[in-house]
Amino acid sequence: QKEVEQDPGPLSVPEGAIVSLNCTYSNSAFQYFMWYRQYSRKGPELLMYTYSSGNKEDGRFTAQVDKSSKYISLFIRDSQPSDSATYLCAIRKPGGGNKLTFGTGTQLKVEL
Amino acid sequence: NAGVTQTPKFQVLKTGQSMTLQCAQDMNHEYMSWYRQDPGMGLRLIHYSVGAGITDQGEVPNGYNVSRSTTEDFPLRLLSAAPSQTSVYFCASSYSKLNNYGYTFGSGTRLTVV
Repeated sequence: QKEVEQDPGPLSVPEGAIVSLNCTYSNSAFQYFMWYRQYSRKGPELLMYTYSSGNKEDGRFTAQVDKSSKYISLFIRDSQPSDSATYLCAIRKPGGGNKLTFGTGTQLKVEL
Repeated sequence: NAGVTQTPKFQVLKTGQSMTLQCAQDMNHEYMSWYRQDPGMGLRLIHYSVGAGITDQGEVPNGYNVSRSTTEDFPLRLLSAAPSQTSVYFCASSYSKLNNYGYTFGSGTRLTVV
């Protein structure tokens, strides 16, 4: 079983839709949870960073962590064509220092 | 511009050739790492460094060497290129205590081994 699993998509939605992107992870001891956005032919960039269970909101983006289910989500409200990218979840394991384990990424396309 | 600079952006190698992928950061980050990104495999850690003079292996280190003589630079050497090393390579850096700034990634090197 992979430590972090993510549906690769592609996911296609109309402009203005609410997007839900999800990851599951295998070890309940995992701590820090991040979402990165990667545009085509670019490096990933950090979107959201959470530590505890619950929700964290930043503009149109909400990151949600459910440690009991080992499930993390990223919600995008009022999606825009500029949100079209690949979204990667990342998890930091306890005792792993700065090392992150990444999901495979979900490709999102927001269409006009 | 502050950030992580990777060179070259594209490279084609013949099997058996060696080369060095360069990575430099100007943010005084202690932690630097190299990932490769392949379709369906996500980002996989090759090598990482927690400071000058200190390096360690990641998930897929075979066929690659690294060194860290300065805080700023973290080159990745391919010893004898193989077609299986065709990939996109990303360098990333962060502060020693990973915080809500996460990693800063470079723009990548697209390597093809023929």
